Amino acid sequence: EVQLLESGGGLVQPGGSLRLSCAASGFTFSSYAMSWVRQAPGKGLEWVSAISGSGGSTYYADSVKGRFTISRDNSKNTLYLQMNSLRAEDTAVYYCAKDLGAYGDYGGYFDYWGQGTLVTVSS
Amino acid sequence: EIVMTQSPATLSVSPGERATLSCRASQSVSSNLAWYQQKPGQAPRLLIYGASTRATGIPARFSGSGSGTEFTLTISSLQSEDFAVYYCQQYNNWPPYTFGGGTKVEIK
Repeated sequence: EVQLLESGGGLVQPGGSLRLSCAASGFTFSSYAMSWVRQAPGKGLEWVSAISGSGGSTYYADSVKGRFTISRDNSKNTLYLQMNSLRAEDTAVYYCAKDLGAYGDYGGYFDYWGQGTLVTVSS
Repeated sequence: EIVMTQSPATLSVSPGERATLSCRASQSVSSNLAWYQQKPGQAPRLLIYGASTRATGIPARFSGSGSGTEFTLTISSLQSEDFAVYYCQQYNNWPPYTFGGGTKVEIK
């Protein structure tokens, strides 16, 4: 059974940092690209970042480029999102999502999602 | 960036009736479109990809159609568990992947 379990969310002050983790199980982690998608309270879905299965390529939404860094440790079956210079508008539930693309490449759509971790940026 | 627009924002439907949800892209996304269902407090669930291919385990009452800029998700006979918010997402021109604003399907 595929499972994705996010952790690391919490309350942080504007300008602060946080690192999210997503522990994956039930599939060959290194064979699939992964993404982070967020959802502000009461709002819709916003894609944040993606990483290939090997970790060799990464992509970011303009809203987080230069502040967030996606990475993965395939030996630990874990995806990360390092978030720096956090702003109030980064407040959201952050989901990790498994890409359905083959061979670690980007398919662009997500067949499994974690339960999400809430990040609140406030003073 | 491709903008995805969903309509209506809210759809009131009686159980057993058909629901038709629309999604429009600001430019062609070919058939690179997915639909998701999200219930309160839950993560999104993939329903459809490639505009019309049902994901694993998705009931046949869910169907997707369209290509280019106009897409439709049809739920042929609404069940109680289908009342939720539905999002479309394009993955043709990226980054970024972009989602529509969602359609809430509520009980009439």
